[in-house]
Amino acid sequence: DVVMTQSPLSLPVTLGQPASISCTSSQSLVYSDGNTYLNWFQQRPGQSPRRLIYKVSNRDSGVPDRFSGSGSGTDFTLKISRVEAEDVGVYYCLQGTHWPPTFGQGTKVEIK
Amino acid sequence: EVQLVGSGGGLVKPGGSLRLSCAASGFTFSSYSIHWVRQAPGRGLEWVSSISSSGTYIYYADSVKGRFTISRDNAKNSLYLQMNSLRAEDTAVYYCAREEGGRYSYGYWGQGTLVTVSS
Repeated sequence: DVVMTQSPLSLPVTLGQPASISCTSSQSLVYSDGNTYLNWFQQRPGQSPRRLIYKVSNRDSGVPDRFSGSGSGTDFTLKISRVEAEDVGVYYCLQGTHWPPTFGQGTKVEIK
Repeated sequence: EVQLVGSGGGLVKPGGSLRLSCAASGFTFSSYSIHWVRQAPGRGLEWVSSISSSGTYIYYADSVKGRFTISRDNAKNSLYLQMNSLRAEDTAVYYCAREEGGRYSYGYWGQGTLVTVSS
């Protein structure tokens, strides 16, 4: 199985400051159709996961533009340009290129 | 509005069985592959199983293969997960999720149903 490694696992941030989460895969996530199936999810406390980003950098409808995704091959990043209180939660990357789909361990974002 | 409503969770003894359901509304259920993803208490997310829109293609994680059976009834807009020979390590919140936006990408999630396996 493809191993997804996130860092850091805990991210204390100051309101209004930027935050960055890294996700590294054990194999390239480029699929045979040319797409890279790397997603980012946010899980607020007590809630179901919510997708923020699909195919590396496509933001879902309703997701604030302070969230952005980037990367290629095996290295990917989720950035929050200015953290707000509502961004507290756990963030997961998910690869869908290789079967079975696998998630990163999660990164807990909290306010300092 | 797209909705996925999971149900059927509860407390079951090791070796027991449970059937989860996921009721869909607000979209054409028969057009989408649907997946089960679980989350053990305080832990991360784990993909469990998937079924294609027509039910033709079915896949399972190695951890549940041979014990869990996924199925769907497109006439009833419903997804099911029959769980047999349950183990303590199956304790988790089980989410149904709709695949869209790419391979194994989940644009909509249900609210989750808790399964607790304990004697």
